[in-house]
Amino acid sequence: EPEVTQTPSHQVTQMGQEVILRCVPISNHLYFYWYRQILGQKVEFLVSFYNNEISEKSEIFDDQFSVERPDGSNFTLKIRSTKLEDSAMYFCASRGGRSSYNEQFFGPGTRLTVL
Amino acid sequence: GDSVTQMEGPVTLSEEAFLTINCTYTATGYPSLFWYVQYPGEGLQLLLKATKADDKGSNKGFEATYRKETTSFHLEKGSVQVSDSAVYFCALDSSYKLIFGSGTRLLVRP
Repeated sequence: EPEVTQTPSHQVTQMGQEVILRCVPISNHLYFYWYRQILGQKVEFLVSFYNNEISEKSEIFDDQFSVERPDGSNFTLKIRSTKLEDSAMYFCASRGGRSSYNEQFFGPGTRLTVL
Repeated sequence: GDSVTQMEGPVTLSEEAFLTINCTYTATGYPSLFWYVQYPGEGLQLLLKATKADDKGSNKGFEATYRKETTSFHLEKGSVQVSDSAVYFCALDSSYKLIFGSGTRLLVRP
């Protein structure tokens, strides 16, 4: 069964460092998402991506964040200069079509710890 | 803006007990509604969904009915198992992104 994969599973970094979180969406999907979950809090939408550009972003997704689909398979989230409050679980998701009838499939997440 | 409110956990039940996890939403229009489950150490999996009022989503013995009048989508299961222990998230589709509730942890004891 096709699945979304994410690497690494756990990333530890120093405050101010750049991190890149990687995701491989399901191969024929067209819409890609990043969500995050701070420990003990709700899962929050960060950004959606379609046709090589951002479709929508939340107010969390400031200039420190960027997304890219560098090739036909990977979808990355970059945090340019990490802050302590960026520590969270980051989930990638993909969807086949635009309709909400198309389920969003989630990856297992990357736990980011900023020290 | 759109939002989802879930009952706080943890919910602790004995095996074979009846489960209800409450979920209410605020939204413009009639969004699709979802329940996702997160087992320990894993990602989010879609458990069930409903796309219009009065629809009932069901999967693995879990059910939820889209109630427009009460803006609710409560999750129920008649007889829980230890393997159902997980965190359950209610969510709605808002302009093709998901808005989640805070999650409810379910612990089922043998």
